[in-house]
Amino acid sequence: KAGVTQTPRYLIKTRGQQVTLSCSPISGHRSVSWYQQTPGQGLQFLFEYFSETQRNKGNFPGRFSGRQFSNSRSEMNVSTLELGDSALYLCASRLAGDGYEQYFGPGTRLTVT
Amino acid sequence: GENVEQHPSTLSVQEGDSAVIKCTYSDSASNYFPWYKQELGKRPQLIIDIRSNVGEKKDQRIAVTLNKTAKHFSLHITETQPEDSAVYFCAALKTSYDKVIFGPGTSLSVIP
Repeated sequence: KAGVTQTPRYLIKTRGQQVTLSCSPISGHRSVSWYQQTPGQGLQFLFEYFSETQRNKGNFPGRFSGRQFSNSRSEMNVSTLELGDSALYLCASRLAGDGYEQYFGPGTRLTVT
Repeated sequence: GENVEQHPSTLSVQEGDSAVIKCTYSDSASNYFPWYKQELGKRPQLIIDIRSNVGEKKDQRIAVTLNKTAKHFSLHITETQPEDSAVYFCAALKTSYDKVIFGPGTSLSVIP
């Protein structure tokens, strides 16, 4: 079974621009969570989507948004980019229902200049 | 809300020695506790997990123990090897409908 995939893997944007990142979960997984990881920092939870609905949300400003499609693929959007948004953005998927195990994608490395 | 603390933040051991990382969680309703290993430049990988109805689980050189009364759980790595060098994250989860709460991570260095 294919793992979690993310595109693009690397991205360079300018301050003030917006960006969209994509995540395809493991087949059959219906939950997708997004995390921000900066150097030396842990895994900061952004939000989780399940069945096209945001189920859980972290403490990030409204510039960070997401959505999930009927095939469980998810996108994350960051508007009005700031230098501090430079980070590795990871998505992770897990089964619905009794699915506890969460598997991560390779991440998208975003650099804001 | 749920909080997970993790200690130590950095750990250096000699190759062949054991390493222990400890985590404490705040919500007594938590019942699933995974551990992730993140090597430099790579994604976090699930290496072992334990549910609240089990006190200990082993997989070759790694083991996890859970003390529900004290609300803490630990990762034990025996006979450490240089390839064990990585950042390790513990986490806690109440139900499959809740978000996974991660600890801040432990950077483990195994010195050859």
